[in-house]
Amino acid sequence: GAVVSQHPSRVICKSGTSVKIECRSLDFQATTMFWYRQFPKQSLMLMATSNEGSKATYEQGVEKDKFLINHASLTLSTLTVTSAHPEDSSFYICSARTQESSSYNEQFFGPGTRLTVL
Amino acid sequence: DAKTTQPPSMDCAEGRAANLPCNHSTISGNEYVYWYRQIHSQGPQYIIHGLKNNETNEMASLIITEDRKSSTLILPHATLRDTAVYYCIVRAHSGNTPLVFGKGTRLSVIA
Repeated sequence: GAVVSQHPSRVICKSGTSVKIECRSLDFQATTMFWYRQFPKQSLMLMATSNEGSKATYEQGVEKDKFLINHASLTLSTLTVTSAHPEDSSFYICSARTQESSSYNEQFFGPGTRLTVL
Repeated sequence: DAKTTQPPSMDCAEGRAANLPCNHSTISGNEYVYWYRQIHSQGPQYIIHGLKNNETNEMASLIITEDRKSSTLILPHATLRDTAVYYCIVRAHSGNTPLVFGKGTRLSVIA
């Protein structure tokens, strides 16, 4: 099956620093990747959608200058949390869709990255 | 995407069938019903999907009512490893629409 990896799995940083999270599709080409955020005891919230080679589309209320998304290749997307603050502490999950999918348009999810900002 | 309604939590005895309901009364004709689950601190895992016919795979069965306004996910023999939050999502078959998660049902399988 299609595998999506994320790195790092956990990161702790100081307030004001920037953190980059990588999302890779290991055995397929991801034309579209999605980034979600999940706070404790809450559901996943979609942050943005990115298509390879074009700018990401952000959901309402998500600051594009704070959460920089780059989808430079068909197997890699990165999310950079700039000038992180404690309220950015969350579980970040990426998801990928491939043009090679079967007709039901499945999304494959990464294992998530736990960000803690001190 | 059409909204879905699920009970916030359910318990199930280990070895018994777990039946998780979902209401999606505003589902459109081209929208599929998807089920995912999320075990604590992991990414969501695909379980099954369907349009209007009942579906079965190695993980579960999906029963969709004839009017498509509700569905039930059935885990035939629940184990402790099935403890997770289960999400029912409706989404159009084609296009680039992402999965939008509701609150889901927290299933606790009890020994």
